[in-house]
Amino acid sequence: SQQGEEDPQALSIQEGENATMNCSYKTSINNLQWYRQNSGRGLVHLILIRSNEREKHSGRLRVTLDTSKKSSSLLITASRAADTASYFCAIERMDSSYKLIFGSGTRLLVRP
Amino acid sequence: KAGVTQTPRYLIKTRGQQVTLSCSPISGHRSVSWYQQTPGQGLQFLFEYFSETQRNKGNFPGRFSGRQFSNSRSEMNVSTLELGDSALYLCASSSGTGDPGNTIYFGEGSWLTVV
Repeated sequence: SQQGEEDPQALSIQEGENATMNCSYKTSINNLQWYRQNSGRGLVHLILIRSNEREKHSGRLRVTLDTSKKSSSLLITASRAADTASYFCAIERMDSSYKLIFGSGTRLLVRP
Repeated sequence: KAGVTQTPRYLIKTRGQQVTLSCSPISGHRSVSWYQQTPGQGLQFLFEYFSETQRNKGNFPGRFSGRQFSNSRSEMNVSTLELGDSALYLCASSSGTGDPGNTIYFGEGSWLTVV
């Protein structure tokens, strides 16, 4: 499959803990983007990391990219109940720009 | 700056009918793409338009079509609706310039239910 694969599929943690989600893919990419989706809503863009970057931060979010292993991880530190959502990674393939290929997502539940 | 705007947000159609969904991209963005999200298939790319031209197309039947206008607004149309077309349809916009740092922003989506 050309899709990104994410694990875990579901994650339940206590408020204040860190949450780590992983994404693997199979092709060469231009970039990898992470999105959040609350139930029934649209996708909120979190972070974009280019293929020549190894790590990016945005607030409580940290994204790493290892192109040799074709994998990425999203770390949410000091999680809050409001972080409860589904998280998706999406790759833009080098040979197919302007088209995102999404993983199946990780459902995160943060318990108060 | 306004985000990506999709209309309508919710609609119910009958099998065999057709539907048109509308999308207004972020001001200044010239690329508009469409995605279908279902519980079974996840998020799948439909097509992408830039300057009124389709640049990329996913693996969907010809019943799914789209177009882009000179003001970058886009519409997608699904004809002869089937029950399996029930989904959340998401529109996304970006500058479309090919920059590897090209962030793609999504709208809230249009929920289509086919009965």
